[in-house]
Amino acid sequence: QKEVEQNSGPLSVPEGAIASLNCTYSDRGSQSFFWYRQYSGKSPELIMSIYSNGDKEDGRFTAQLNKASQYVSLLIRDSQPSDSATYLCAAYSDNDYKLSFGAGTTVTVRA
Amino acid sequence: GAGVSQSPSNKVTEKGKDVELRCDPISGHTALYWYRQSLGQGLEFLIYFQGNSAPDKSGLPSDRFSAERTGGSVSTLTIQRTQQEDSAVYLCASSLALVRGDINTEAFFGQGTRLTVV
Repeated sequence: QKEVEQNSGPLSVPEGAIASLNCTYSDRGSQSFFWYRQYSGKSPELIMSIYSNGDKEDGRFTAQLNKASQYVSLLIRDSQPSDSATYLCAAYSDNDYKLSFGAGTTVTVRA
Repeated sequence: GAGVSQSPSNKVTEKGKDVELRCDPISGHTALYWYRQSLGQGLEFLIYFQGNSAPDKSGLPSDRFSAERTGGSVSTLTIQRTQQEDSAVYLCASSLALVRGDINTEAFFGQGTRLTVV
């Protein structure tokens, strides 16, 4: 079983719509959760961090964490063509100090 | 420096040669990670450092791979006797520390080194 799993996509949404990305993790020792955005040919860029249950909003991005369900999500509101990228979910575990990544979900925003 | 710096940006090497990849983390960051990303694939964890110590080397793909970090700063990933399957982008990331559930664990990536073995 992979440590971090994401819905594989690709996900295509019209401009202005909400893109919803999901992620589950297997290590209950995970305490910190992150979403990275990776444009083609570029390195991952940190866009959201979340550490406690509930929602965290930053501009058009909202991250949600449910530790009981071992579930993390990212919502992108008012999607723009510039949001077209691969989104990586990551979990940091206190058990092994490892920052593990999901395989990523590719999002395409149609103008 | 302002961000994580990796060098070289691109490296083409002949099969069987040794290569060294360098990572200079953000100043003050004590934790450092190496990942490998093959074309169209996700991030494969290789190794992490807390200070100069690398407690878990199990992510390294083979004994041809080694990594060190000196002075709690710059890290070098060495691949000996390179093979074509080593071709990938090697990414380095750093964070303030390895501390429970905290902003200190936010990791920032360098631009990567694209390694091509011919």
